[in-house]
Amino acid sequence: GENVEQHPSTLSVQEGDSAVIKCTYSDSASNYFPWYKQELGKRPQLIIDIRSNVGEKKDQRIAVTLNKTAKHFSLHITETQPEDSAVYFCAASSWALRGQNFVFGPGTRLSVLP
Amino acid sequence: NAGVTQTPKFQVLKTGQSMTLQCAQDMNHNSMYWYRQDPGMGLRLIYYSASEGTTDKGEVPNGYNVSRLNKREFSLRLESAAPSQTSVYFCASRDLTGVQETQYFGPGTRLLVL
Repeated sequence: GENVEQHPSTLSVQEGDSAVIKCTYSDSASNYFPWYKQELGKRPQLIIDIRSNVGEKKDQRIAVTLNKTAKHFSLHITETQPEDSAVYFCAASSWALRGQNFVFGPGTRLSVLP
Repeated sequence: NAGVTQTPKFQVLKTGQSMTLQCAQDMNHNSMYWYRQDPGMGLRLIYYSASEGTTDKGEVPNGYNVSRLNKREFSLRLESAAPSQTSVYFCASRDLTGVQETQYFGPGTRLLVL
């Protein structure tokens, strides 16, 4: 089955700096890669996603890149702000026998220091 | 439009007791999911339902059963709770028929098994 690894597990940056989180996946059939942000005690919320037929996607300060050959994808946050502090999860999704299965990475705790 | 709702928000059980976690969505989504989240770990898929009338096992199905009661509701049952099932449980739903692929999460149920 699919296996998703995520690095680093914790990341501290100064406000205004950039943050990069990397994920690798094992199943070449995976075709959809979302990123979620989870604040303490809250539910995960989608911040950006990318399909396997696209190499890069950007939404304001957030971007995701995908390298299908190497089976890895990355989240880039520019001009970080204290409210970016949270746990970020990547996921890989592929079509199972019925429906679409999701496997999540273990998460990265991002701290943005003022 | 409430999105995804879960009941209860918090529950304490003794080992061996049973309970059902309820989930409902009002977005007319076909697919629904149950995850568990343990400290320091990502979300692990327990069961999912691609459409009304179908259910499939995820990564960690042992000790759980599910019922897709109708298109709106997807319940998770613990027949004989064990301390290892202490976790936060999230339900999610997703619409695969349209362009939007976002998976929406409920607020979670915190379960403590003594």
